[in-house]
Amino acid sequence: QVQLQESGPGLAKPSETLSLTCTVSGGSVNSGSYYWSWVRQPPGKGLEWIAYIFYSGGANYNPSLKSRLTMSVDTSKNQFSLRVASVTAADTAVYYCARVALTMGDAFDVWGQGTMVTVSS
Amino acid sequence: SYVLTQPPSVSVAPRQTATVTCGGNNIGSKSVHWYQQKPGQAPVLVVYDDTDRPSGIPERFSGSNSGNTATLTISRVEAGDEADYYCQVWDSSSDHRVFGTGTKVTVL
Repeated sequence: QVQLQESGPGLAKPSETLSLTCTVSGGSVNSGSYYWSWVRQPPGKGLEWIAYIFYSGGANYNPSLKSRLTMSVDTSKNQFSLRVASVTAADTAVYYCARVALTMGDAFDVWGQGTMVTVSS
Repeated sequence: SYVLTQPPSVSVAPRQTATVTCGGNNIGSKSVHWYQQKPGQAPVLVVYDDTDRPSGIPERFSGSNSGNTATLTISRVEAGDEADYYCQVWDSSSDHRVFGTGTKVTVL
């Protein structure tokens, strides 16, 4: 059974670049059946899709965040990553990595447990 | 950008039926997915492609989609169904994923 596990710094300072990694176990990121994605949730608020990437490296980003985002995939480590530049307090959220299943209408079918990121000086 | 609107809250008595709506422009032409999120936990997919259930999801969860409204129906509601529910679609015009505003289902 596929499992996803996020890792991140927990705390970031304003204007810094936030780096998050998702490690995939029980499956491979090198699959043409899935996209790999990030979703975030500010405290007490709803879900916001951030970005997704295909194993080949092609990525798509939420237009409201696009200028600050970079996603990458490392098939040798079975990981994918997200970098968010110039963070502010508005980026404080739980960040989830998730798998997008092309055979299930592009639904997010597997989620990580989430990692909380607080942006504060 | 494409907007999905959900009622903030729905209340239902045990063993009754809960209905959660998701409104969007011509949403009937899109594939709608539904997620359940309990406090402190990651979301869980409960319905995909408007009406299908992933393995392990009870038959009590069902979905429909037509016109400008998609609906998640929870039959014979149990205390364990109390959670936030989110609809989600793929906006093909932009190739972006969009979530609804979320609905808190409270079991009385």
